[in-house]
Amino acid sequence: GQNIDQPTEMTATEGAIVQINCTYQTSGFNGLFWYQQHAGEAPTFLSYNVLDGLEEKGRFSSFLSRSKGYSYLLLKELQMKDSASYLCAADYGGSQGNLIFGKGTKLSVKP
Amino acid sequence: GAVVSQHPSRVICKSGTSVKIECRSLDFQATTMFWYRQFPKQSLMLMATSNEGSKATYEQGVEKDKFLINHASLTLSTLTVTSAHPEDSSFYICSARDPSSLNTEAFFGQGTRLTVV
Repeated sequence: GQNIDQPTEMTATEGAIVQINCTYQTSGFNGLFWYQQHAGEAPTFLSYNVLDGLEEKGRFSSFLSRSKGYSYLLLKELQMKDSASYLCAADYGGSQGNLIFGKGTKLSVKP
Repeated sequence: GAVVSQHPSRVICKSGTSVKIECRSLDFQATTMFWYRQFPKQSLMLMATSNEGSKATYEQGVEKDKFLINHASLTLSTLTVTSAHPEDSSFYICSARDPSSLNTEAFFGQGTRLTVV
């Protein structure tokens, strides 16, 4: 299988930093996506990691360790609008390019 | 702007009727499109892979006779939910990646909220 595991729910305070972890099976792995999804809406792209290391994009950063099958999404200076589900999705390089999604982490940002 | 357009965004239908959902790639030709279903508080589950000019590939447990997929052109895939029942009520989302570069994001349509009454 290609289980993608991430926490179900997290709560954080406005202005704080939160890290959302994701683990995946390494066999056949190509790259790791993070998406943000607000309730009732389609997912929106946040990041894509292929190489080991941290990639920073504004308040959001994403980290990948290919050998450990581990990634995290780091959100800084949290805002109320960051309350959403965050989906980790792995690309196993299928000839047709489909992604395998984790169950998503519902993040609640409190005042 | 959106590169994958999905229509309609919301539909309410009576039990037993059929509903067609369209997914269009706007900026690229998509030989492959993906159809997902998402139940409340759950993740996206791949239903089927739509292949232009050939039969769709369905995931295990998805009835191909109930969820008809047609990919007649390089920019359009349709999903028809036939003889819909209340348990088919869900959020349906299509996705496509630019085949010229697979190391890019999967673009999603806006999603279709289907309610069967």
